[in-house]
Amino acid sequence: NAGVTQTPKFQVLKTGQSMTLQCAQDMNHEYMSWYRQDPGMGLRLIHYSVGAGITDQGEVPNGYNVSRSTTEDFPLRLLSAAPSQTSVYFCASSYIQGQKLFFGSGTQLSVL
Amino acid sequence: QQQVKQSPQSLIVQKGGISIINCAYENTAFDYFPWYQQFPGKGPALLIAIRPDVSEKKEGRFTISFNKSAKQFSLHIMDSQPGDSATYFCAASISSGGFKTIFGAGTRLFVKA
Repeated sequence: NAGVTQTPKFQVLKTGQSMTLQCAQDMNHEYMSWYRQDPGMGLRLIHYSVGAGITDQGEVPNGYNVSRSTTEDFPLRLLSAAPSQTSVYFCASSYIQGQKLFFGSGTQLSVL
Repeated sequence: QQQVKQSPQSLIVQKGGISIINCAYENTAFDYFPWYQQFPGKGPALLIAIRPDVSEKKEGRFTISFNKSAKQFSLHIMDSQPGDSATYFCAASISSGGFKTIFGAGTRLFVKA
C-alpha cells in the first residue's frame, strides 16, 4: 500500500531551468494538492485539483503549473526555476474534499 | 494574508507536562479544523480533527478545544512525552464548494526528558 508517492526526493536546479515534480496516489482519491513548506511559513497551498481535468490555484500559484489527466497523477511543473522556489514540496490527497489529507514524503528542491 | 494564525512558534515542555498550542482563524466558512503532526524528514500526518458543532474532542492524550464565537481552537497534549517532539500544524478547511486546506505556520515542540 504505497499511499502518496513523490519523486524525486532531492533536486538541485540552476536558475531558469525547468522541471516536473511527480506525485502519484493509489487510493483512488479525487482530491489532490501541492504545498510548499518554508521555515516560519507553514504549508502554503500552491495548486489543487478536485478531479481529473479540474485544477485551481491556491495561495501561492505563481511560477507553477499543474495538470490532472488521470485520477492517480498530479505533477507540478516549474517552468523557469527561481531561487525563491527553494523549498520542500509536499503532495497530498484526500478522499473527501477538505477532509483528512494524506501527504507524500516530500521533495527538497534547491534553486541556485 | 494569513487566514490561520498559530502560536507559539516553538515550545519546550518537561516530560509529563501539558503542551498547549493555539490557533485563530478569520473565515467563518471554515467547517473542519484538523491538527497535523510532522516528524523531521516526513510529511505531515493527521493527528486529530474537530468540527465547529462541538466544543471539545479528545483522543488519548490529545484534546482539541474549540471556541466558535472567538474563532479560536487549541491543541492540548497531556502527559507530554519525548516522542511527541515534532512540529504541529493547525489547519482549517471548507468541506463544500471547493477544496482548500489552509495551514498555520507551525509550532516546534520539544519535550525534555
